[in-house]
Amino acid sequence: ETGVTQTPRHLVMGMTNKKSLKCEQHLGHNAMYWYKQSAKKPLELMFVYSLEERVENNSVPSRFSPECPNSSHLFLHLHTLQPEDSALYLCASSQVTAGGLETQYFGPGTRLLVL
Amino acid sequence: LAKTTQPISMDSYEGQEVNITCSHNNIATNDYITWYQQFPSQGPRFIIQGYKTKVTNEVASLFIPADRKSSTLSLPRVSLSDTAVYYCLVGVRFSGGYNKLIFGAGTRLAVHP
Repeated sequence: ETGVTQTPRHLVMGMTNKKSLKCEQHLGHNAMYWYKQSAKKPLELMFVYSLEERVENNSVPSRFSPECPNSSHLFLHLHTLQPEDSALYLCASSQVTAGGLETQYFGPGTRLLVL
Repeated sequence: LAKTTQPISMDSYEGQEVNITCSHNNIATNDYITWYQQFPSQGPRFIIQGYKTKVTNEVASLFIPADRKSSTLSLPRVSLSDTAVYYCLVGVRFSGGYNKLIFGAGTRLAVHP
């Protein structure tokens, strides 16, 4: 148990559906991340929120829309996805400090299948 | 960000020591070396982090030579449950205040009975 939870764990959606992935961290961290892991590909960073402000958008298509209402919650809103968007979506959090390198803690992921 | 190179896969047997070496020739002065472990359909889990020489915790040891162009993750007496993908990362803290991790393909370790 890493202190980062994600719901749902599995999701099947059609290309015309709208769904949202939810992430919650119970670690008191102030930065949260969305990653995508496709089959046989490395993890790709999608979005970063630091102190509830989006600081990184790694050239992600607009059909993925993140939301960070507070430091403990992170959402990924999905609409009009494509089959190639099927992947494991991972959320992570870390504590940003004035010096040094913080550790990221990952959730279990949401396995998404787009039909 | 420094690129890392590590073996695609390794095989071992229960009870053996496993050493996974990672090359990072372009590591910068303020870069740390971090290793993560990932089981199938789970998120990566932090294992160990170091800057130079040797770091040891309850899970693994990390050996970093003086030139820091490579590092070796050492897993003592592996068990079947250590079968996973192991990622070597070299990261630097950006001015935006977060740690941008770049994951490569990792090393797929298979531990056999």
